[in-house]
Amino acid sequence: AQSVTQPDIHITVSEGASLELRCNYSYGATPYLFWYVQSPGQGLQLLLKYFSGDTLVQGIKGFEAEFKRSQSSFNLRKPSVHWSDAAEYFCATLDSNYQLIWGAGTKLIIKP
Amino acid sequence: DSGVTQTPKHLITATGQRVTLRCSPRSGDLSVYWYQQSLDQGLQFLIQYYNGEERAKGNILERFSAQQFPDLHSELNLSSLELGDSALYFCASSLTSGGAYGYTFGSGTRLTVV
Repeated sequence: AQSVTQPDIHITVSEGASLELRCNYSYGATPYLFWYVQSPGQGLQLLLKYFSGDTLVQGIKGFEAEFKRSQSSFNLRKPSVHWSDAAEYFCATLDSNYQLIWGAGTKLIIKP
Repeated sequence: DSGVTQTPKHLITATGQRVTLRCSPRSGDLSVYWYQQSLDQGLQFLIQYYNGEERAKGNILERFSAQQFPDLHSELNLSSLELGDSALYFCASSLTSGGAYGYTFGSGTRLTVV
């Protein structure tokens, strides 16, 4: 069965520093991959998605993610984080029934 | 505003009671998904409706039920409430029966059972 692993429960980054959040998936074929963000007290918002094509995907709020088949990874990056990026980030993939399979989430803490 | 409307935003009720949570999907979306999010369980998929019919079922308790009406809004009914049912309940919608285009989430209903 498909699964998504986000190995980091918490990540602390200084404001202005670069960010990389890790996501690993298990699936044989080319997966559908997503990153969502949840700000405190809010619902989840889609940041970006990958289906096929260019392995570097641009999303909203200055985020990007790179699909690496050889590493079964879809890591989320941002060159310079802002205090407003503090949130929980979820990686997800689709299963064979096109239902979302979620990672456990990574909470991003921004140091001033 | 995501376009998915959930009411009420907050709900406090006693154990043993029954509540109904309501969700209006984004205009044009045919699928509605219900999720429960708690600190210890994370994000748990409960159930999906597509154009009025149940499409997929996740970890939904027998005490919980849902339906989608002809106007596509959906209701999640939680009965015989227990303290452990306290959580954020999210509704999401999508255009198709699957999540290939991503989901649009509402801002949730925070349920507190006392």
